[in-house]
Amino acid sequence: SYEVTQPLSVSVALGQTATITCGGDNIGTKNVHWYQQKPGQAPVLVIYGDKNRPSGIPERFSGSNSGNTATLTISGAQTGDEADYYCQVWHSIPGWVFGGGTKLTVL
Amino acid sequence: QVQLHESGPGLVKPSETLSLTCTVSGGSISSAGYYWSWIRQHPGKGLEWIGYIYYSGSTYYNPSLKSRVSISLDTSKQQFSLKLSSVTAADTAVYYCARDNRLQSQNGFDVWGQGTTVTVSS
Repeated sequence: SYEVTQPLSVSVALGQTATITCGGDNIGTKNVHWYQQKPGQAPVLVIYGDKNRPSGIPERFSGSNSGNTATLTISGAQTGDEADYYCQVWHSIPGWVFGGGTKLTVL
Repeated sequence: QVQLHESGPGLVKPSETLSLTCTVSGGSISSAGYYWSWIRQHPGKGLEWIGYIYYSGSTYYNPSLKSRVSISLDTSKQQFSLKLSSVTAADTAVYYCARDNRLQSQNGFDVWGQGTTVTVSS
């Protein structure tokens, strides 16, 4: 099986840069996707293929992936960015794997 | 644009079979490069992938649920369905359907339904 690990929570001051990590064995060899989920809503894809932004996602969202860690970076964090963030990778067994999620708080 | 909508009973009795349907609108469920997944989220917890189906009918299930899961496709109705047998309270969750975009490469789950809450209780 394959597991990915995220911090339970991350805090960032308004306007500063938030970094959320996703750790996994040689995750740098996989495509990592990131989702934002606000309370009571379905997840929204914010980064796909490690570093690509879907249409409509602000430029302040960026991603990187190397070695054993993938990273979601939110530059100039806003109150509207407060949400749970999940990373996702594919591994042959068990298939699609989600990280446990990180709660982002903007102070 | 493509939209997904889950439907099905919100309450299921223990030991029975949970059945949900996802209706795809604004695009074809038979388009190559798109896989159709079910995901669930237990109350206050993270996301758990259940399985997917491709327009060809091929499926892939999470091994943790494989013995109880079946996903099927009805292209004429633009729907795909989830059946989860022998449910217990541990299957109480919000169930989402989503489109897994693999055009040319992995592009993530780019379209999600709004989710439907299923409670398992007698």
